[in-house]
Amino acid sequence: NAGVTQTPKFQVLKTGQSMTLQCAQDMNHEYMSWYRQDPGMGLRLIHYSVGAGITDQGEVPNGYNVSRSTTEDFPLRLLSAAPSQTSVYFCASTKGGMNTEAFFGQGTRLTVV
Amino acid sequence: GENVEQHPSTLSVQEGDSAVIKCTYSDSASNYFPWYKQELGKRPQLIIDIRSNVGEKKDQRIAVTLNKTAKHFSLHITETQPEDSAVYFCAASIGSQGNLIFGKGTKLSVKP
Repeated sequence: NAGVTQTPKFQVLKTGQSMTLQCAQDMNHEYMSWYRQDPGMGLRLIHYSVGAGITDQGEVPNGYNVSRSTTEDFPLRLLSAAPSQTSVYFCASTKGGMNTEAFFGQGTRLTVV
Repeated sequence: GENVEQHPSTLSVQEGDSAVIKCTYSDSASNYFPWYKQELGKRPQLIIDIRSNVGEKKDQRIAVTLNKTAKHFSLHITETQPEDSAVYFCAASIGSQGNLIFGKGTKLSVKP
């Protein structure tokens, strides 16, 4: 099993550009989520999904969209990139429900210039 | 909103000493408390977790304690080794979906 796979690992965008960060898991997990990690800020939840066709907002959803058309995939879209979105992004998945381990992808380091 | 506070932000210990990291949480309904270790440039990985029906859990040199009344939990690492050097994050579950709220992290440095 590959676990949780994110692409790309690194990306540089110009302000105003759009892009999609890909996330896929092969563990048949129902619950998937996106976090951003900034220095001194820990991991902050952007969006999450409890199953195919269901998504919801986390702590810091502005400027990001998500969709969940399949159990395996949970892409994160930046609609119009801003320098404030420069961060490391992590996708995570869990078996679903409460009190279960979250498995993280390897992260995407995004720089918006 | 709900939050998790983590202290200290940095911790430096000598090899062989113990390290303690403390977290407090605000949501009294939280019932799952994982700890993650993140090495430089890597993804966070679960090292230990505890559920609200348990007060303490140990795994070799690592232990976690939970005080639900006071809403705080702690990570204890004994006999620290240089490979324990990393950033450690605590988290608490919130809401009916079990989303995790993370502390801001503790950078642990173990000096040989």
